[in-house]
Amino acid sequence: DAKTTQPPSMDCAEGRAANLPCNHSTISGNEYVYWYRQIHSQGPQYIIHGLKNNETNEMASLIITEDRKSSTLILPHATLRDTAVYYCIVRVSTNDYKLSFGAGTTVTVRA
Amino acid sequence: KAGVTQTPRYLIKTRGQQVTLSCSPISGHRSVSWYQQTPGQGLQFLFEYFSETQRNKGNFPGRFSGRQFSNSRSEMNVSTLELGDSALYLCASSLERGTGNTIYFGEGSWLTVV
Repeated sequence: DAKTTQPPSMDCAEGRAANLPCNHSTISGNEYVYWYRQIHSQGPQYIIHGLKNNETNEMASLIITEDRKSSTLILPHATLRDTAVYYCIVRVSTNDYKLSFGAGTTVTVRA
Repeated sequence: KAGVTQTPRYLIKTRGQQVTLSCSPISGHRSVSWYQQTPGQGLQFLFEYFSETQRNKGNFPGRFSGRQFSNSRSEMNVSTLELGDSALYLCASSLERGTGNTIYFGEGSWLTVV
């Protein structure tokens, strides 16, 4: 499996952008980067995914480096409700039926 | 469009009993998978169903089983419950199989075994 490395925790001020890094140096050419978040006691929520190009939706932006070895999830204007554990996951073609969750990054948005 | 629906949301069972959890995927989704989340082990894959067939299974004992119906709805069953089976059980669905198909999760069923 392509492993991902994320910082265990980070703080962010409400209203500011939150930039969440993820390293995935062993990613292969046809493997997608997915981001989910999990707010306490709820199921994981899909945020965004990408293959090569940068992606943006109503929740966030995903910036993938040209060599695809790392990516950054950007929450443009963090709110208190964005406090959650954020998971960066590389979906590998050899086990494309599942998501392999790591420990994620615990993001705390402070007022 | 309704999301993934799981029932019941909370339940308490006694050690040795069995439990059945239900999942209705997003309309049109054909792939359903189940995950177990515990504080110690994190989120772990249980099994995946597609077209009423179990396609993949995680590293769990045979006490954990499931099935998928023709309308894509799914159930999972845990027999002879143990204290360690206390967890959040999550159902997820996707339109098709493959890495380009986004997987969406339900809110989960909280199981407490006493």
